[in-house]
Amino acid sequence: GQNIDQPTEMTATEGAIVQINCTYQTSGFNGLFWYQQHAGEAPTFLSYNVLDGLEEKGRFSSFLSRSKGYSYLLLKELQMKDSASYLCAVRDSNYQLIWGAGTKLIIKP
Amino acid sequence: SQTIHQWPATLVQPVGSPLSLECTVEGTSNPNLYWYRQAAGRGLQLLFYSVGIGQISSEVPQNLSASRPQDRQFILSSKKLLLSDSGFYLCACTGTGESSPLHFGNGTRLTVT
Repeated sequence: GQNIDQPTEMTATEGAIVQINCTYQTSGFNGLFWYQQHAGEAPTFLSYNVLDGLEEKGRFSSFLSRSKGYSYLLLKELQMKDSASYLCAVRDSNYQLIWGAGTKLIIKP
Repeated sequence: SQTIHQWPATLVQPVGSPLSLECTVEGTSNPNLYWYRQAAGRGLQLLFYSVGIGQISSEVPQNLSASRPQDRQFILSSKKLLLSDSGFYLCACTGTGESSPLHFGNGTRLTVT
């Protein structure tokens, strides 16, 4: 079957760096997406990786290793507004998105 | 870029009542459209997707149905709601291109009482 694993919850301190991991087993691979979802709101798109390596976008970076079925989202200079759930999703060989359950990130002052 | 309009934002309905949620998309033509549901504290569950007018694929058997009467309109319906239908319903679309991400509407929070 198809599966995406993320930690359920993580806690970090304001101003610090946090890495959220995502491992996947899917039928084919056509890209990996990271989304941010604040409580009670819809998910918003953060990043897309289809080739191995690091994609940087301001304070957020996303890394992909296709051979290992692994990705991480790196958040730097954490701010209180970064408290949210972070969803990892993989597009499979049929171009359907397989979603992880999300990682709830709690930022403490 | 596309804009997704979804309404209503919140809805409280009694068990056994009908449901109609509407979603319209602006800024793109012939989009792929999706209905997702998210139960409290859970991940996203794909309910339906559509690649064109009148073309609906159902991912989960249940008492919900979807229709796409126009290119940029997607409707989620039920004839009789169940308690288990409560959740956060999200309409989404993708644009053109392989790297095009899924974009979501603001969602409808449905509570069935």
